[in-house]
Amino acid sequence: DARVTQTPRHKVTEMGQEVTMRCQPILGHNTVFWYRQTMMQGLELLAYFRNRAPLDDSGMPKDRFSAEMPDATLATLKIQPSEPRDSAVYFCASGLVDSADEQFFGPGTRLTVL
Amino acid sequence: AQRVTQPEKLLSVFKGAPVELKCNYSYSGSPELFWYVQYSRQRLQLLLRHISRESIKGFTADLNKGETSFHLKKPFAQEEDSAMYYCALSGRSGNTPLVFGKGTRLSVIA
Repeated sequence: DARVTQTPRHKVTEMGQEVTMRCQPILGHNTVFWYRQTMMQGLELLAYFRNRAPLDDSGMPKDRFSAEMPDATLATLKIQPSEPRDSAVYFCASGLVDSADEQFFGPGTRLTVL
Repeated sequence: AQRVTQPEKLLSVFKGAPVELKCNYSYSGSPELFWYVQYSRQRLQLLLRHISRESIKGFTADLNKGETSFHLKKPFAQEEDSAMYYCALSGRSGNTPLVFGKGTRLSVIA
């Protein structure tokens, strides 16, 4: 069945390195979300896209984070340079604008910045 | 500001006992409320939404605007209900970003 995929599933890197996370939304879904989960803050929105256009990225630290959708089948979240406080699980979710309003989540990328 | 509060981090109940997972929200308009669940080694998935007023896996949730609550209930807990449960709010329809509570881990003891 159709699922959101995320790569990599785990990433360990050193402070200052660039990190790129990728998400493949469910085919046909026109809305993509990036959430970050930490013990302290829980699940928080970083950015979201509708029909590949960014609608809200107010949750992202703009100086180091960037999110893009190069095409309808790929969303990317990049951190440059990474910092230890970026360690978290990053979830991508996709959905349709319809009566259900359901968001389908990927398995997440667990990022550890040393 | 939008906020969702789940006061219990952990809730342990015996199999067959009733379950109530509490959720309170803060929002000035008419929100849409959801419960998402994450079973062990599985993805976060939608359990139910207030607008559909349905029962899923024996769970129900009623939106109480006066108390700004959306508690999740089940009359008889089963072991397979053990999971993390997240209450979430959206300020408007049209599949917009969710504001999540911090979650409650439900443990059903045999």
